[in-house]
Amino acid sequence: KAGVTQTPRYLIKTRGQQVTLSCSPISGHRSVSWYQQTPGQGLQFLFEYFSETQRNKGNFPGRFSGRQFSNSRSEMNVSTLELGDSALYLCASSTGWETQYFGPGTRLLVL
Amino acid sequence: GENVEQHPSTLSVQEGDSAVIKCTYSDSASNYFPWYKQELGKRPQLIIDIRSNVGEKKDQRIAVTLNKTAKHFSLHITETQPEDSAVYFCAASQGGSEKLVFGKGTKLTVNP
Repeated sequence: KAGVTQTPRYLIKTRGQQVTLSCSPISGHRSVSWYQQTPGQGLQFLFEYFSETQRNKGNFPGRFSGRQFSNSRSEMNVSTLELGDSALYLCASSTGWETQYFGPGTRLLVL
Repeated sequence: GENVEQHPSTLSVQEGDSAVIKCTYSDSASNYFPWYKQELGKRPQLIIDIRSNVGEKKDQRIAVTLNKTAKHFSLHITETQPEDSAVYFCAASQGGSEKLVFGKGTKLTVNP
């Protein structure tokens, strides 16, 4: 099976802009979770979607949002970008029961 | 909410030695504990996981132990090799939840 894919792999934006990241899960997986990875805070959970519904949410401001489509692909949106949003954004897919497999990530740089 | 502490933050061993990384968790409801290995510039890769109904699990040179009473779990790597050099993350979650709470990571260096 093909692994989790994410697009784009790299992104440079300026403060105030918005960005949309995409994640395609492993075929047959219905859950997609998003994580932010930074050197200071490590890996932090953003949210999880299962069958097009947000099932879990982390402690991030409302500028961070997401959605999932009927084919299980997921998008994450960050509005009004801040310098502190610079990070590696990872998505992970699972069948919906625990074992998660990560994508390669999207590295976002906010200038 | 759940909090996962991971120690040490860095670990340097000689090739062939064993390496042990320890994690503690705070929420007694957590019952799933995966370990991920992340090489520089790569995605986290699941290397082993354990559920709370099991005390120990082994996969070749890697083993994980879980002490539910003390709320801690450990990763053991035997006969370390240079390719084991990476950052290792422990995590915890509750059954049915895909919300993984991660430790801060341990940078393991295996010296040839």
